[in-house]
Amino acid sequence: GAVVSQHPSWVICKSGTSVKIECRSLDFQATTMFWYRQFPKQSLMLMATSNEGSKATYEQGVEKDKFLINHASLTLSTLTVTSAHPEDSSFYICSARDLPGLVYADTQYFGPGTRLTVL
Amino acid sequence: AQSVAQPEDQVNVAEGNPLTVKCTYSVSGNPYLFWYVQYPNRGLQFLLKYITGDNLVKGSYGFEAEFNKSQTSFHLKKPSALVSDSALYFCAVSPYTGTASKLTFGTGTRLQVTL
Repeated sequence: GAVVSQHPSWVICKSGTSVKIECRSLDFQATTMFWYRQFPKQSLMLMATSNEGSKATYEQGVEKDKFLINHASLTLSTLTVTSAHPEDSSFYICSARDLPGLVYADTQYFGPGTRLTVL
Repeated sequence: AQSVAQPEDQVNVAEGNPLTVKCTYSVSGNPYLFWYVQYPNRGLQFLLKYITGDNLVKGSYGFEAEFNKSQTSFHLKKPSALVSDSALYFCAVSPYTGTASKLTFGTGTRLQVTL
C-alpha cells in the first residue's frame, strides 16, 4: 500500500519549453500533495503544497508563475515547469498523504522522482 | 520553526556489525519524527515513524529508532548491517500530523556498508 507514482521518470527538454510532471497516488486518495526539489548531494527543498480543488501554497522564493501546480483530483497533481532554463535542471519529487483519519494519513509517501535536464 | 540535525555526512560500517545513524531535532510541542531512505536516482522510501507511544519504534528492513525526548534525539539503528543497506538516510520532523503539515528534513547521512 501507499504507492505514489511519477511520470515521466526522466525528461530532457530544450530551453524555453514547458515540461509537465505527473504525480499519482495509486492506492489511496490525497487531499494534499507536496512537491520537492533536490539538488545533487543535498536534502529536499519543499517547493509547494498542492491542495485538491484549490490553489497551491508556494514556499518563499518559489516562483508560482514558473512552477505551475494543479491538483485536479484526489489522486493526481501535476507540476509544470514553464519556460524551462538550464538552472531548472534538478530532481523533482512529489509526496502524498492519505485523507484524514485513514491508514496513510500521518505519513508522507514519496514518488520515485523525475530527473529534469534542460539543455 | 522546526529543525533537524544529522551530524554525520557519512557512516561507514562493516557488514554484520550494528549501525547507528544519528538525528536530533528541534520543534515546538510534540514532535512527529520520520526516517526515510533514498537509493540513487530514486525517491524516498518510508522506513519508520514515531507519532506517540513506545519510544522504540520498529520499521522496515529490520531498522528501528529510539525516541529520546530529553535528548531530543531519534537515532536510527539496525543490529546487523547489510551491504544492501548502503544508501542515503534522511531524518524528518513535523510539528503535527494534519494533512498539510510540512516535513523538515535533515541534510542526510550516507551509509556505506562494506564486506
